[in-house]
Amino acid sequence: DAGITQSPRHKVTETGTPVTLRCHQTENHRYMYWYRQDPGHGLRLIHYSYGVKDTDKGEVSDGYSVSRSKTEDFLLTLESATSSQTSVYFCAISESGGFNYGYTFGSGTRLTVV
Amino acid sequence: DAKTTQPNSMESNEEEPVHLPCNHSTISGTDYIHWYRQLPSQGPEYVIHGLTSNVNNRMASLAIAEDRKSSTLILHRATLRDAAVYYCILTYYGGSQGNLIFGKGTKLSVKP
Repeated sequence: DAGITQSPRHKVTETGTPVTLRCHQTENHRYMYWYRQDPGHGLRLIHYSYGVKDTDKGEVSDGYSVSRSKTEDFLLTLESATSSQTSVYFCAISESGGFNYGYTFGSGTRLTVV
Repeated sequence: DAKTTQPNSMESNEEEPVHLPCNHSTISGTDYIHWYRQLPSQGPEYVIHGLTSNVNNRMASLAIAEDRKSSTLILHRATLRDAAVYYCILTYYGGSQGNLIFGKGTKLSVKP
C-alpha cells in the first residue's frame, strides 16, 4: 500500500533465532500497529505505538518486543522464534488512532519458523 | 471488549446491491464502527467507518441503527472484485487510543 512498507515480505528462520520485522511509513502518522493473522483466529493485535518511544502491549504480545525510535519506523522483534510464531504479520498505521480516520495496512510479511 | 457478530458467509450476484449486517449490542457510546475488507493474500483495506450518523463514501455506505446496536455495510453494485472477507469492528479503547479488535468477518462471494 502507498505510504506503508513491510520488510521482508517473506522469511524462513530456524527455531530459537531472533527475527526482526520492519514497518516503514511515509505518512507521518502518529499511530502504528503490529498484527498477526492465523487461520481460525483472524487478525490479532501484538503491540502498538502511539508515538516515538511510546508503545504498549496488545492481545498476543508474549514472545514479541517492539521499538519505535523514529516516527517512520516500527520494528517487531521475535526474541527467540518458535514454530507457534509462524504466521502472516501485518503492520498498520493511523493518523488519529481510529477516530476520525481509518487504518492503512501493509501488504504483510509471511514468516515461517522451522 | 465490545464484540461484533457477523454471518460467516454471504453470496451476491454481480451488479446487485449487497447488504452486510453486523450486530454489536454491547457497543459503548464512544465506540466507532469500522468496516474493513481483505482480499486473498492481501492486507485489510479500509472501507468506511462512522459513529452515529449514516456515512457514504466512494466505496460503500454505512447504515447505523438508531440505538447503534447494529449496522449494515451497503455495496451498491457488487463486482467480482468485491469478493473478500468483510470485517465489522468496534474501536477498542486500550491505553490512550482506540485499537481495532478483529473478529472472523463475513466472506462475501460474488457470482457473475
